[in-house]
Amino acid sequence: AQKITQTQPGMFVQEKEAVTLDCTYDTSDPSYGLFWYKQPSSGEMIFLIYQGSYDQQNATEGRYSLNFQKARKSANLVISASQLGDSAMYFCAMREGGFKTIFGAGTRLFVKA
Amino acid sequence: DAGVIQSPRHEVTEMGQEVTLRCKPISGHNSLFWYRQTMMRGLELLIYFNNNVPIDDSGMPEDRFSAKMPNASFSTLKIQPSEPRDSAVYFCASSSQDRGRLDTQYFGPGTRLTVL
Repeated sequence: AQKITQTQPGMFVQEKEAVTLDCTYDTSDPSYGLFWYKQPSSGEMIFLIYQGSYDQQNATEGRYSLNFQKARKSANLVISASQLGDSAMYFCAMREGGFKTIFGAGTRLFVKA
Repeated sequence: DAGVIQSPRHEVTEMGQEVTLRCKPISGHNSLFWYRQTMMRGLELLIYFNNNVPIDDSGMPEDRFSAKMPNASFSTLKIQPSEPRDSAVYFCASSSQDRGRLDTQYFGPGTRLTVL
């Protein structure tokens, strides 16, 4: 069974608008971590934001915020004020138990000028 | 601070040849991960080490693949013999052992492997 699901293969957003990338996860471990990574066309994997399962507040990092809804097992990434440079592949990932991290299939974001 | 360093960045080889990919993790990190990324299968974890010890190699596709971490600052992923289906981007990542945000994996730039 898939543990990380990203249901949007591709998304379009107008420059300067906000966009939400969806991620749902499945785990029975009460302690886990959720991550988002960005992969631009150049290929590198860039860490964006982290949310721990016991964190009371939603994580924020600059224009990135994570909408963490624990009961729904969702960890959506919100990018505010989109920029052309935000066009990339975005991966949601989860670390449970040990140190193994599982990645979703990714969402490709296109920012339109 | 230097990030995760991988070499080579690109490798083109012929089927049957041995390929060795190299990785230097971030100093102070004691967990190291090897991933393979393809269009068909996405990002797959091949193996990970903690304190230089292989913890989980269940993702290694077959015996042609082997990985070593002789010390805290160096790891290799070897494919022998290589096959065209091994063509992919191979990433190395490292993290601290602690849970929480410090457990974030930081990725190297990747090695793009093409097996002809």
